[in-house]
Amino acid sequence: EIVLTQSPATLSLSPGERATLSCRASQTIGEFLAWYQHKPGQPPRLLIYDASNRATGVPARFSGSWAGRDFTLTISSLEPEDFAIYYCQQRYNWPPITFGQGTRLEIK
Amino acid sequence: EVQLVESGGGLVQPGGSLRLSCAASGFTFRAVPMSWVRQAPGKGLEWVAYINQDESQSFFVDSVKGRFTISRDNAKDSLYLQMNSLKADDTAVYYCARMTLTTNFDYWGQGTLVTVSS
Repeated sequence: EIVLTQSPATLSLSPGERATLSCRASQTIGEFLAWYQHKPGQPPRLLIYDASNRATGVPARFSGSWAGRDFTLTISSLEPEDFAIYYCQQRYNWPPITFGQGTRLEIK
Repeated sequence: EVQLVESGGGLVQPGGSLRLSCAASGFTFRAVPMSWVRQAPGKGLEWVAYINQDESQSFFVDSVKGRFTISRDNAKDSLYLQMNSLKADDTAVYYCARMTLTTNFDYWGQGTLVTVSS
């Protein structure tokens, strides 16, 4: 089973700042990683697929990148609505499809 | 507009059974694979089960194998999760999720809460 480790567990930033969230895979997974945003009381939202492709309707301030087993979700300038929990998910080797444990992005 | 609406959650005793349903609309249901994903209280997301378009393939997370079954009725645009021998650890919000051909989850329902407790 591929384990995804997200860091940090919590990130405290202010609106307008740049956010950098990380996800490390336990083995090589190519670019087969997605990012989701999850707000309380709402279903998760697909943001990025295959490491760097924005899903339909996702603002350009969200971007994804990767190098080896390390993946990064960057939010260039935080908007108030961006404060949420973010999960990474791999599809390289499944079942099982696995998620990271999440990074909570909170307002500082 | 794509819509996924789950139902069937509730309170059940340990060892009991529950059947979740997901009604789909706004897309060609029979053309896409589907999954169930859950979130236990205070925990992260966990994929639970997958079914392909014609029910010829299904997969489960190890913790539910032998207890849960997934099925679909393409004539009714509906997805199901039959949960037997339920345990306290199965307590979670269960989401129905549409899958892309690249094995991501692009649309989710609002979720239905399953509570396993005596």
